[in-house]
Amino acid sequence: DAGVTQSPTHLIKTRGQQVTLRCSPKSGHDTVSWYQQALGQGPQFIFQYYEEEERQRGNFPDRFSGHQFPNYSSELNVNALLLGDSALYLCASSLPGLGYSTGELFFGEGSRLTVL
Amino acid sequence: AQSVTQLGSHVSVSEGALVLLRCNYSSSVPPYLFWYVQYPNQGLQLLLKYTTGATLVKGINGFEAEFKKSETSFHLTKPSAHMSDAAEYFCAVSQGNNAGNMLTFGGGTRLMVKP
Repeated sequence: DAGVTQSPTHLIKTRGQQVTLRCSPKSGHDTVSWYQQALGQGPQFIFQYYEEEERQRGNFPDRFSGHQFPNYSSELNVNALLLGDSALYLCASSLPGLGYSTGELFFGEGSRLTVL
Repeated sequence: AQSVTQLGSHVSVSEGALVLLRCNYSSSVPPYLFWYVQYPNQGLQLLLKYTTGATLVKGINGFEAEFKKSETSFHLTKPSAHMSDAAEYFCAVSQGNNAGNMLTFGGGTRLMVKP
């Protein structure tokens, strides 16, 4: 049973560029969340997708956007990259439905973004 | 709003010694509480969770944690540290079903185990 998979694992961009990160959830999961983990810090919630819609959003600017596809996979897009966007971006999936869960998330290994 | 405070960004113990990692939370509703572990260059793995019921919860790799509502704490312990326990540990809180899985994490505690 494949867990949460993310791609790419590492990437380097320059300021002002745009980046797209991809995530496939664990089999049987339909809810995908994205977190940003800056170096030496805990993960911070970016947003969550369920039924192809953004359901919740953390305190991140509109430069951060996402998408969920019918097969539940998801993309995170960041426009106009800043140096401060350098971080590990973690995707997490969870059991079906927003209202049916104990809150447990299954995380991928992340995409490490470096902005120069 | 909810928040998590992990006391001590770095904890060092000797192999075989007790491990104690501290976590305090704030939440306006009964919380769900979690401990995750992160090994270098990897994602987060769930160690244990408290949702309802018994306040002492056991997790993987010999770890356990106790939910103390009066102290708003959820400290993680392990009786005897192994070298393989060296990692970053994160405490997290969610508001259960009302929050649809959104977790608020603490800043993490790096556990170092000395031979």
